[in-house]
Amino acid sequence: QKEVEQNSGPLSVPEGAIASLNCTYSDRGSQSFFWYRQYSGKSPELIMFIYSNGDKEDGRFTAQLNKASQYVSLLIRDSQPSDSATYLCAGRSDYKLSFGAGTTVTVRA
Amino acid sequence: DTGVSQDPRHKITKRGQNVTFRCDPISEHNRLYWYRQTLGQGPEFLTYFQNEAQLEKSRLLSDRFSAERPKGSFSTLEIQRTEQGDSAMYLCARQEVRDRDTGELFFGEGSRLTVL
Repeated sequence: QKEVEQNSGPLSVPEGAIASLNCTYSDRGSQSFFWYRQYSGKSPELIMFIYSNGDKEDGRFTAQLNKASQYVSLLIRDSQPSDSATYLCAGRSDYKLSFGAGTTVTVRA
Repeated sequence: DTGVSQDPRHKITKRGQNVTFRCDPISEHNRLYWYRQTLGQGPEFLTYFQNEAQLEKSRLLSDRFSAERPKGSFSTLEIQRTEQGDSAMYLCARQEVRDRDTGELFFGEGSRLTVL
């Protein structure tokens, strides 16, 4: 079992809609969680991180963490074509990050 | 700009050749990580340094792989006797060491290796 699983995807949403991405993790010792965006052929770019239970909002992005359920999510509101990318979830244990395989999002204009 | 430069950006080599990648982070006061990413997968941890000390290596890092960070600044990743399975994007990342150690990684643009 991988440490971080991203089961949803690929995901196609119309422009202006909400894209919802999910991630589960197996290591209860994971201290913080990260969402990265990766465009095709490019390296991952940090969107946001979260380490406390609850919601964290940054512009059109909201990350949610539920440590009891070992669940992390990312909501993208008012999706734009420029949001079309692969989104990687990562959890931190000790000093290293473990990544999921990613969810590819396509925003239809 | 994430403050991480990688060189070369692309490398095509024949099976059996040695290749070396270089990573230059903006600051010496950080941790430096190497990850490998293949198509359709997330980045996989290879190794990391704090200053010049290599603190952890993944089992993915076979004997053909070696990484160094000689003065705690830039780092190199060498692959000897390359195999086709080594074809991947090799990503270097820095992590700030500070009081509030939230752990986010900032990646360089990567070095894409193709082994023919």
